[in-house]
Amino acid sequence: DQQVKQNSPSLSVQEGRISILNCDYTNSMFDYFLWYKKYPAEGPTFLISISSIKDKNEDGRFTVFLNKSAKHLSLHIVPSQPGDSAVYFCAASGRGSSNTGKLIFGQGTTLQVKP
Amino acid sequence: NAGVMQNPRHLVRRRGQEARLRCSPMKGHSHVYWYRQLPEEGLKFMVYLQKENIIDESGMPKERFSAEFPKEGPSILRIQQVVRGDSAAYFCASSPDSDYGYTFGSGTRLTVV
Repeated sequence: DQQVKQNSPSLSVQEGRISILNCDYTNSMFDYFLWYKKYPAEGPTFLISISSIKDKNEDGRFTVFLNKSAKHLSLHIVPSQPGDSAVYFCAASGRGSSNTGKLIFGQGTTLQVKP
Repeated sequence: NAGVMQNPRHLVRRRGQEARLRCSPMKGHSHVYWYRQLPEEGLKFMVYLQKENIIDESGMPKERFSAEFPKEGPSILRIQQVVRGDSAAYFCASSPDSDYGYTFGSGTRLTVV
């Protein structure tokens, strides 16, 4: 049962353009969402997060949008840079009283930014 | 302040052997999480530990896998009698509390031959 889905395995964009990575989830109890970036042979690195009480969070070139009714979130990177080329993972969790910090990850999207 | 340290980085085991993966959390972090990434898949939660306690092991396979986080020393993920399907990257993360301020280590890549 894949509760967090990233349906695009890969994405290629030109340097300077916008990269849009998408993520869908099925569990309506999820109320906190995160994006991680991962280079080969390294661990994931936290990028940006959003709580379900918001619909947008921005940090520099990175913006995450949350559409709760559609159970969909997206990560926008603008302008894209060659150093952004990596695998991007969407992750989700429910922050209820039983919260243990466990994250549910999507399968990842490989972003390639061409110079 | 060193990050989360995992060792070894690469581990090769023959079928039936034991694999021991170590994770030293960041200084001041008492919460440790283990995740597994199979080829072409995302990270899957395995277990959440605090010092000397297993808090959530809902992602651990029922047999052959165990984890500990002793009062002194690193957290250990132990896989007994490894099979080829155990080949994966195993990531450890630590945090100062049960929040999402995870810091991941670089992982241990286990190959079972």
